[in-house]
Amino acid sequence: DAGITQSPRHKVTETGTPVTLRCHQTENHRYMYWYRQDPGHGLRLIHYSYGVKDTDKGEVSDGYSVSRSKTEDFLLTLESATSSQTSVYFCAISRLAGVSEETQYFGPGTRLLVL
Amino acid sequence: DQQVKQNSPSLSVQEGRISILNCDYTNSMFDYFLWYKKYPAEGPTFLISISSIKDKNEDGRFTVFLNKSAKHLSLHIVPSQPGDSAVYFCAASAHSGNTPLVFGKGTRLSVIA
Repeated sequence: DAGITQSPRHKVTETGTPVTLRCHQTENHRYMYWYRQDPGHGLRLIHYSYGVKDTDKGEVSDGYSVSRSKTEDFLLTLESATSSQTSVYFCAISRLAGVSEETQYFGPGTRLLVL
Repeated sequence: DQQVKQNSPSLSVQEGRISILNCDYTNSMFDYFLWYKKYPAEGPTFLISISSIKDKNEDGRFTVFLNKSAKHLSLHIVPSQPGDSAVYFCAASAHSGNTPLVFGKGTRLSVIA
């Protein structure tokens, strides 16, 4: 258990509405990530953070923004949701799995449906 | 262009036999490779990893082999159990894990009793 929670776990919204997903961690990890999972695509990186107020874009960042005002919370915002953003969203943190190798651990996911 | 490829979308294996899941990569900068297991409605679970300085890593029933010259890795599960039925994702990164992971599309493993 990597101490990651995501909220909400499920959400249905309408096209054009703003949506914010929250990722919360309890272990003070520096690195946090947002991925989306779609059939036929595996997991794709949206944005990631390497510290408070330090974020960077991933492979599929268009239409998404993020914020990290404190270590434990990493927020993903869809400013104006579109049907193409219907997906399952996973948050991850990075921590040591062995002696020197950082490994990413995932939260339980948020299932988002945009109608 | 896909940097991490899992060319088999699905695999069926009988209980007790060996499962072999394959993964190919194209980016020479990748030096850390991971396998994740995912059940429906759950997040991916870290299974096993290997760094590029090794060619084999073993953890119980799970062994990962890395062939750097071929840019190929494989996950062996032996013996396979029905509880191993899940989607398995191969992932890779440069510089050992903090760098965002690049995932393959996954292979669905079905272990038949």
